[in-house]
Amino acid sequence: GAVVSQHPSRVICKSGTSVKIECRSLDFQATTMFWYRQFPKKSLMLMATSNEGSKATYEQGVEKDKFLINHASLTLSTLTVTSAHPEDSSFYICSAEVPGQGRGYTFGSGTRLTVV
Amino acid sequence: RKEVEQDPGPFNVPEGATVAFNCTYSNSASQSFFWYRQDCRKEPKLLMSVYSSGNEDGRFTAQLNRASQYISLLIRDSKLSDSATYLCVVNKGGSYIPTFGRGTSLIVHP
Repeated sequence: GAVVSQHPSRVICKSGTSVKIECRSLDFQATTMFWYRQFPKKSLMLMATSNEGSKATYEQGVEKDKFLINHASLTLSTLTVTSAHPEDSSFYICSAEVPGQGRGYTFGSGTRLTVV
Repeated sequence: RKEVEQDPGPFNVPEGATVAFNCTYSNSASQSFFWYRQDCRKEPKLLMSVYSSGNEDGRFTAQLNRASQYISLLIRDSKLSDSATYLCVVNKGGSYIPTFGRGTSLIVHP
C-alpha cells in the first residue's frame, strides 16, 4: 500500500518550453506532498511543500514562478517547470508521508528531465 | 552545521563484512528518523524507521542517540546486493518535513 505514482518517468524538452510532472497517491490521501530535485551524486534537495487546497511553501532559493506547484485534490500534486533551461535538467521526485505513525515517506519513481 | 550530515563514503567492503554508518542531525527537536536505500537512478525506498529503543530487521540494526544527536545503521554479513546509497532522513522539528542527508555510498565486493 501507500503508493505514489509519478509521470512522466523521463522527458526531454527544448529550452523555453514548460514541462508538467504529476504525482498521484493511489491508495491513500496525501494532504501534503514534497517535491525534491536531485543532481548526480548529490543529495535530494527539498524544493517545496505542496498542500492540498492552499499555496505551496517554497524553500529558500527556489523560484515559485518558475516551478509552479498545484495540489488541487487529495490525490494529485503537479510540478510545472516553466521556461525550462538546460540547468533545470535534473531528477525530480515527489514524496508523501505514509499514513500511520512511524511509517515514513513514500516516493514517486522520479522524473528525469533533460532540457536541450 | 548542516541539518543532516552523513559521510558520503564510499565504504568499500568485502562480502560478509559488518559495516556501520552514522548520521548526525542538528535540530534537537527532531522527532522522526528513517534510513532509506537509494539505488542508482531510482527513487529512495524505506529501509527502516529508527525508534528510540533501536530496532533490528534481519541483518540491519538501527540506533538513535538523542544525547549526541545521531542515528546509526549497522549491516551485518554484507551481501553484494546491499551495494547502494543509504540516506538518513530526519523530520524538520515538529513540522514533519523530511530532510535528507546526502547519503553514504556502500560498495560490497566479492
